[in-house]
Amino acid sequence: QLQLQESGPGPVKPSETLSLTCTVSGDSISSSIYFWGWVRQPPGKGLEWIAAIYYSGGTYYNPSLKSRVTMSVDTSQNQFSLKMYSVTAADTALYYCARYVRAVDNFDIWGQGTLVTVSS
Amino acid sequence: QSALTQPPSASGSPGQSVTISCTGTSGDVGGYAYVSWYQQFPGKAPKLIIYEVTKRPSGVPDRFSGSKSGNTASLTVSRLQAEDEADYYCTSYGGSNNLLLFGGGTKLTVL
Repeated sequence: QLQLQESGPGPVKPSETLSLTCTVSGDSISSSIYFWGWVRQPPGKGLEWIAAIYYSGGTYYNPSLKSRVTMSVDTSQNQFSLKMYSVTAADTALYYCARYVRAVDNFDIWGQGTLVTVSS
Repeated sequence: QSALTQPPSASGSPGQSVTISCTGTSGDVGGYAYVSWYQQFPGKAPKLIIYEVTKRPSGVPDRFSGSKSGNTASLTVSRLQAEDEADYYCTSYGGSNNLLLFGGGTKLTVL
């Protein structure tokens, strides 16, 4: 059974870089039909798509975040990662990693989420 | 402000039906058959309940159904049950420049 598990720093200071990793178990991240992505949810608010990546490195980014985020993939570790630069309090959120079915554009399997708090 | 517009709240009594709308544009909802719906309980990750406008993943009750007309997609929950009380989000493919758009979410209350 496919499972995704986020790991992250917890608290991050404003202007610093947020780094998150998602470890995939139960299937290979190199599967040819899936992308892998990130979605966030500020406390008490709605969901926002951040980015998605293919195992070979092809990426899609939310235009509103594109200038501050980078995704990468490590097939040897069956992991993918997100870096978000110059964070502010507005980036405080629950960050989910999920499997993205590009053929029909949805996230079908989700991790449990990890809370990232940006605070000095 | 979310790219797709959903009503912030909806409600219905047990046994009734309720419909939640999701309005976009011809460049997203209206232009593609890639509308999905997610159910989210407090403190839990979202769960995919509808994809490609009308399809249900395995295990999702047939009380949940999806449809689309023009630039507006809809989720209908029939035969409401207390356990359906949750937040519901729609998404749509938004084109190659903005892959996935989310609605702002609708809180469904079962009276």
